[in-house]
Amino acid sequence: QKEVEQNSGPLSVPEGAIASLNCTYSDRGSQSFFWYRQYSGKSPELIMSIYSNGDKEDGRFTAQLNKASQYVSLLIRDSQPSDSATYLCAPRTGGGATNKLIFGTGTLLAVQP
Amino acid sequence: DTAVSQTPKYLVTQMGNDKSIKCEQNLGHDTMYWYKQDSKKFLKIMFSYNNKELIINETVPNRFSPKSPDKAHLNLHINSLELGDSAVYFCASSRNREGDTQYFGPGTRLTVL
Repeated sequence: QKEVEQNSGPLSVPEGAIASLNCTYSDRGSQSFFWYRQYSGKSPELIMSIYSNGDKEDGRFTAQLNKASQYVSLLIRDSQPSDSATYLCAPRTGGGATNKLIFGTGTLLAVQP
Repeated sequence: DTAVSQTPKYLVTQMGNDKSIKCEQNLGHDTMYWYKQDSKKFLKIMFSYNNKELIINETVPNRFSPKSPDKAHLNLHINSLELGDSAVYFCASSRNREGDTQYFGPGTRLTVL
């Protein structure tokens, strides 16, 4: 089993729709979770972080976390063509000095105008 | 001003050669990282330094040797390059070793022929 699993996509949604990106992780000790966006040929950039069970909203983005199910998701409301990118889920694992981000392989989102 | 910079952006070289990639951050962060992103877009941590001290060393061949002359710089030297080393190498930094938000450099695309 992979440490972090994401559907590779592409996930195609029409402009204005809600895009739902899902991620499951294997390390039950993970306490912090991050979503990075990576445009083609560019570097990853952090868009959301979540630490507690439930929802966290930031503009058009909502991160959802369920630690019991080892599941984290990202919802993008009113999707725009500029949201087309690969979205990387990254739980933080380990503790102390050795904690690190474990990245999923990412979900490619394509927003159709 | 670029927060995390890397040089060179592209590197094309022959098998067996030795090459270096340089990284600098001007964010005043304590912790720096090297990641490798392969052709399938899988992003994996290689090394992490905190205040010039190596704190994470993943199962990376010892042909890869990181060096941190000061906390603003982290370089990566690769000996005896192999075809499988072809990838995009990203440098990143975070305020501290907890690494809540990691800022990535633009990446160095290494092609080994």
